[in-house]
Order: sequence, then C-alpha cells, then structure tokens
Amino acid sequence: AQTIHQWPVAEIKAVGSPLSLGCTIKGKSSPNLYWYWQATGGTLQQLFYSITVGQVESVVQLNLSASRPKDDQFILSTEKLLLSHSGFYLCAWSLNWGVAETLYFGSGTRLTVL
Amino acid sequence: AQKVTQTQTSISVMEKTTVTMDCVYETQDSSYFLFWYKQTASGEIVFLIRQDSYKKENATVGHYSLNFQKPKSSIGLIITATQIEDSAVYFCAMRYYGGSGNKLIFGTGTLLSVKP
Repeated sequence: AQTIHQWPVAEIKAVGSPLSLGCTIKGKSSPNLYWYWQATGGTLQQLFYSITVGQVESVVQLNLSASRPKDDQFILSTEKLLLSHSGFYLCAWSLNWGVAETLYFGSGTRLTVL
Repeated sequence: AQKVTQTQTSISVMEKTTVTMDCVYETQDSSYFLFWYKQTASGEIVFLIRQDSYKKENATVGHYSLNFQKPKSSIGLIITATQIEDSAVYFCAMRYYGGSGNKLIFGTGTLLSVKP
C-alpha cells in the first residue's frame, strides 16, 4: 500500500525567512505528485505538479517554487516568506498521469508566518 | 471557465439521519471527473467517492452515494445513517484537462455537524 508522509507537521516562521516543506511517497514508483495550498477556512488551490524526477510544472506560483529531486520526493520552498504564505500545505499523489486519476492527499503542513 | 460551487456553508443534522450536500459545476469538456473529499478536524483530506461523467449510474461507496444530474451539472453527496464521526468539511471537486495539464479544482466546502 502507498503511504505519503509530509514534513514538518507545522512551522512558525518569520516574514522574510526561507522555507522548505517536503513529502515522500512510499510504495509506488514514479508517482505523479502535487502541491496544494489552503488558506485558513478556504478551499484548496493547486500550486504545482510533477510527473517525473526533475520536472515540475507551475499552476499558481504564489512566490513559491517546487522541485522533485528524487522519484519519491517533492519539495516546496521559498527564499523569502510573506505573510500571505500562511496556511495549510498539502502534498498529493496519483497513480498515473491522466485526467481520470484520483488524487490522494498527505496529512499536510500547517504554516504560520509572523 | 471551469468552476465548482458549493452553496451550503454549513449543515447540522441529527445522528443516524440522511444528509444531502449540494454541488454544481461548470465545464465545457465532454469528459470530466467529479470527486468528493472530506477534511477532518486535523486537516486530513480523505477521498470518499467519485463519479465519471460518462457513467449514468450513480456511484455508491459504503454509506456514501452520489446524485448525479448531468443536465443540471449537479453532483450531490448523500450520506445515509450519519455518525458523529462524519462531522467534517466536505469538498466537491472536478478534474479536467486544463490545457497546461490536468487540474483538480475544489469548491469552497460544506461543514457538516452531526449531533447526538
């Protein structure tokens, strides 16, 4: 069975500081990976997706970047945090790259920017 | 433009009753895929059920079922015999090909409170 692990569980960071969030997928080779962001009390917004190692496509950047350094790892980062970056970040995966695929989500990272 | 709308902000029901949550969507695609997810108090997003647009039968999984009305662009979620642990925020979502890649967009969610 596939498992998805996100780290850290929560972060409190200062405006202007760097950020790195990650997720790891186990039990599935070459998964399709996604980053979503959710403002407090809001809906989920897709940020990035990756079909394969080294390839990341941006959907909405929000002054963030993403990378896929390994087949099972997806990283979300920024060099300078903004107050607007606060929220809940969710990593998700799907078996294949197809519009019919179901996405499964990790447990998320709650980010507070002060 | 593709859009998913959930007009019910919150619903409160008594335990063991049936609840229906509404969702309407907009799309120009002939083939699309509709999903319902549940977000628990901890923030976890759990996949519940899906409906493929080309299927006429309403999907059913456990005590979740869908009321798919394609002419009305509507996909309602029905939960029968509700339990306290069904209390959560429920999101309707639609997956489509967005030109630059496949996208999954969400509605704004419906908060369900199940009371004993």
